[in-house]
Amino acid sequence: GAGVSQTPSNKVTEKGKYVELRCDPISGHTALYWYRQSLGQGPEFLIYFQGTGAADDSGLPNDRFFAVRPEGSVSTLKIQRTERGDSAVYLCASGRLDVTEAFFGQGTRLTVV
Amino acid sequence: DAKTTQPTSMDCAEGRAANLPCNHSTISGNEYVYWYRQIHSQGPQYIIHGLKNNETNEMASLIITEDRKSSTLILPHATLRDTAVYYCIVRVAWANFGNEKLTFGTGTRLTIIP
Repeated sequence: GAGVSQTPSNKVTEKGKYVELRCDPISGHTALYWYRQSLGQGPEFLIYFQGTGAADDSGLPNDRFFAVRPEGSVSTLKIQRTERGDSAVYLCASGRLDVTEAFFGQGTRLTVV
Repeated sequence: DAKTTQPTSMDCAEGRAANLPCNHSTISGNEYVYWYRQIHSQGPQYIIHGLKNNETNEMASLIITEDRKSSTLILPHATLRDTAVYYCIVRVAWANFGNEKLTFGTGTRLTIIP
C-alpha cells in the first residue's frame, strides 16, 4: 500500500501477557519511529530506527518494551508482562532523509484488561 | 527541542479563516517550526513547516514573527474536515531529520462549526 500500515488495529490483552505490534513503513523509507499516545495527550516518542539499528531508544519507558527492525523495513514493537498502564494507541511513522515530513500510520489501540 | 505553548481549544465557523497561534519564545536559531494535525482516530498528518519566512502550501499558510518567538497557522477557508487537534512543534534543521524525533505537546483542538 501507499501508506504506513499498522496491525492489528485493535488489540485487547490480559494483564501480564506478551504482545507484538507490527508496523509496515512506506517502501524505501529508512527512518522508522514508534510513538505512544494516551487519551487526551499528544504522541510520546518511544524509539527511532535508521535502517536496521535503533538510533534512539530513549523514549522506551522500561525494559518490558523492546522493538526490532531486522531487515530495515517492517518493525515490531514488543511489550512483555503488559500492565493496564500500557493501554494506549501505539503509532508508527516512517520517513526519508530527503522528504520533509514523517508519515504516520493509523495506530494500534492496545487495551490491557 | 524548544517548548511550545498553544491554546487548548478553539472554534471557527465553516468557511472562515482559522488562525491557530503558537508561542515558542525559547526557539533557537537552527530550529524550524512544524505543524501537524491529528483527525480523530487517525495518525498525525504533516501540514507545513518554516524557519523564518512565511510559508504557504495547498493546505495552509504559516506566519512566523520577525523575532521567531511565535507563529500562526492559517487555514484560509475552514471546512468541517479541518476539525482536528493541531500540534505546533519546533525542531532542529531538517538536515538532521535522521536523528531528530518530533516532540508533541497537547496541541489545540480546533472545532469547525457549521
